[in-house]
Amino acid sequence: QSVLTQPPSASGTPGQRVTISCSGSNSNIGSNAVSWYQQVPGMAPKLLIYNYNHLRPSGVPDRFSGSRSGTSASLAISGLQSEDEADYYCAAWDDRLHSPIFGGGTTLTVL
Amino acid sequence: VQLVESGGGVVQPGTSLRLSCAASGFTFSSYAMHWVRQAPGKGLEWVALISYDGTIKFYADSVKGRFTISRDNSKNTLSLQMNSLRPEDTAVFYCARGPQSGYDLPFDYWGQGTLVTVSS
Repeated sequence: QSVLTQPPSASGTPGQRVTISCSGSNSNIGSNAVSWYQQVPGMAPKLLIYNYNHLRPSGVPDRFSGSRSGTSASLAISGLQSEDEADYYCAAWDDRLHSPIFGGGTTLTVL
Repeated sequence: VQLVESGGGVVQPGTSLRLSCAASGFTFSSYAMHWVRQAPGKGLEWVALISYDGTIKFYADSVKGRFTISRDNSKNTLSLQMNSLRPEDTAVFYCARGPQSGYDLPFDYWGQGTLVTVSS
């Protein structure tokens, strides 16, 4: 059981906007920055969003955006494309565990 | 930036294995580094971290006392010594770069991973 809770699956049609939630607690999302990672099957994870101001590394399309409210965070993908089909993970530092923690991951299917 | 893991393989329970991660394309000695693993068909699990200078090390409870993270800044190499391996340690192990200041997140670059299989 992951400390950060994500829905196991999400789906959308091309062009649609989808959001993936990540629920935590005061010791992680409530007090530390959240980062999001995309993992295409068979490949290494890739950083999508990071930091309090939800920055994107260069090369990540602005269709990807992040937000945080209290102890929850969300990843939004607008203008969904078939290439967005992947697993998505949230992560944050946990002050109680004194370690990084990941969400269980969400598999995004583009219908 | 390039991170290349090596050292994975098939080993028996109770034995040891040492993973390496060769870093290039950035000033290795300025960044914290992490090991993250992924069991077959499962999600990501953080394993261990080491600060830029090697003075700070943290481990997941699942590997504490069995795994040791280290780095050689003169050789731009990160290592993970894994002892007393268990079947539940079977996973792809990734090395990942941490921030330049501090030792937490994000993990902005990842290696391609090396598979460790623990089986009798």
